[in-house]
Amino acid sequence: GAGVSQSPSNKVTEKGKDVELRCDPISGHTALYWYRQSLGQGLEFLIYFQGNSAPDKSGLPSDRFSAERTGGSVSTLTIQRTQQEDSAVYLCASSLETGRAFFGQGTRLTVV
Amino acid sequence: QQQVKQSPQSLIVQKGGIPIINCAYENTAFDYFPWYQQFPGKGPALLIAIRPDVSEKKEGRFTISFNKSAKQFSLHIMDSQPGDSATYFCAAKGGTSYGKLTFGQGTILTVHP
Repeated sequence: GAGVSQSPSNKVTEKGKDVELRCDPISGHTALYWYRQSLGQGLEFLIYFQGNSAPDKSGLPSDRFSAERTGGSVSTLTIQRTQQEDSAVYLCASSLETGRAFFGQGTRLTVV
Repeated sequence: QQQVKQSPQSLIVQKGGIPIINCAYENTAFDYFPWYQQFPGKGPALLIAIRPDVSEKKEGRFTISFNKSAKQFSLHIMDSQPGDSATYFCAAKGGTSYGKLTFGQGTILTVHP
């Protein structure tokens, strides 16, 4: 596609349920990032994939959060046993190894 | 050491003014400093970026000034317009966290007509 695509655009889930957020990066981009943005706040780094290297998971806030990147392309961010504090916009970005990062529109997650 | 500190949190200017947003960093291994613009409901979009081998870069009405010795960089918006009203984020990457972009907290800019 022309840009980074994220789905769903909005997700409302009940506390305690698991959710999966999907990111389709720009074709050919080797790097993929997940960030979280709470209302009116900055961008909190979650996880970074670069090619076949081990991902940098240093930003994942708890073991309820995990992410995969299959075939060096699509990535899924999974949040298990969601809590209300997980409510935020989850942003995905991709880039060539040293190039500019392009962001998707984000998935707005609301935990009720 | 991985932090990027951004100020001010919010800024209001009149049309035609020159808002200036400042960022400071600690990690001297950072070697790429982009600025992103974000409109409500949208993802951040890259505006302009600089590497530490130059002290200034201009693209249209946007200018980055970079002071390597002070570990500071700033964004200037010339002849600001109401359409420039958005949230601006500085970021940095490089060194051992070579791929990870570390963002500042953001500045909400409002340009009055």
